[in-house]
Amino acid sequence: DQQVKQNSPSLSVQEGRISILNCDYTNSMFDYFLWYKKYPAEGPTFLISISSIKDKNEDGRFTVFLNKSAKHLSLHIVPSQPGDSAVYFCAASAVLYNFNKFYFGSGTKLNVKP
Amino acid sequence: ETGVTQTPRHLVMGMTNKKSLKCEQHLGHNAMYWYKQSAKKPLELMFVYNFKEQTENNSVPSRFSPECPNSSHLFLHLHTLQPEDSALYLCASSQGGTGNTIYFGEGSWLTVV
Repeated sequence: DQQVKQNSPSLSVQEGRISILNCDYTNSMFDYFLWYKKYPAEGPTFLISISSIKDKNEDGRFTVFLNKSAKHLSLHIVPSQPGDSAVYFCAASAVLYNFNKFYFGSGTKLNVKP
Repeated sequence: ETGVTQTPRHLVMGMTNKKSLKCEQHLGHNAMYWYKQSAKKPLELMFVYNFKEQTENNSVPSRFSPECPNSSHLFLHLHTLQPEDSALYLCASSQGGTGNTIYFGEGSWLTVV
């Protein structure tokens, strides 16, 4: 049973516009949420994170929003650039027996058109 | 450079071969992970080691055998694999505790022929 879901496998956006990537989770024990960017043939690269005690975290062009009541998070990229074209994974973590267990969504492939 | 190094980056092996994937982290983390990424599937957690002790084995077939000699090194020993085991194998590390990030290596592309 997948505890973190990304229901949109792909998203296409024009350069300069906003990209919004969505993620839903089911486990209320998750207390930390992360977004990763992945290019083909490379490992995922950490982008931005948010703690469950916050509802927004911003880093440059990237903003993550968390809605705990809806068990939903989103990543906004403004303005989108062609170099942002990649697969984006959301992840959620919980601490179990003094180590973090991370659950990942299946990814959304973002294509930013020039 | 994420501080997690994986070798080899690419590996082709026959079904009767024995090979190993190696991972090293330079971040001082106490937990190390093996994930598998197959085409169009979520990242699948395989194994977790915390302070060298295996704390998670996610029903992985015994043809995959992990080894963690210390908190900085992690191996995945492979033997008698099947073609469906062809995938990207990702090593990662994190510090224990709430609010810590997991960092990935570049991955090892495995093709079983």
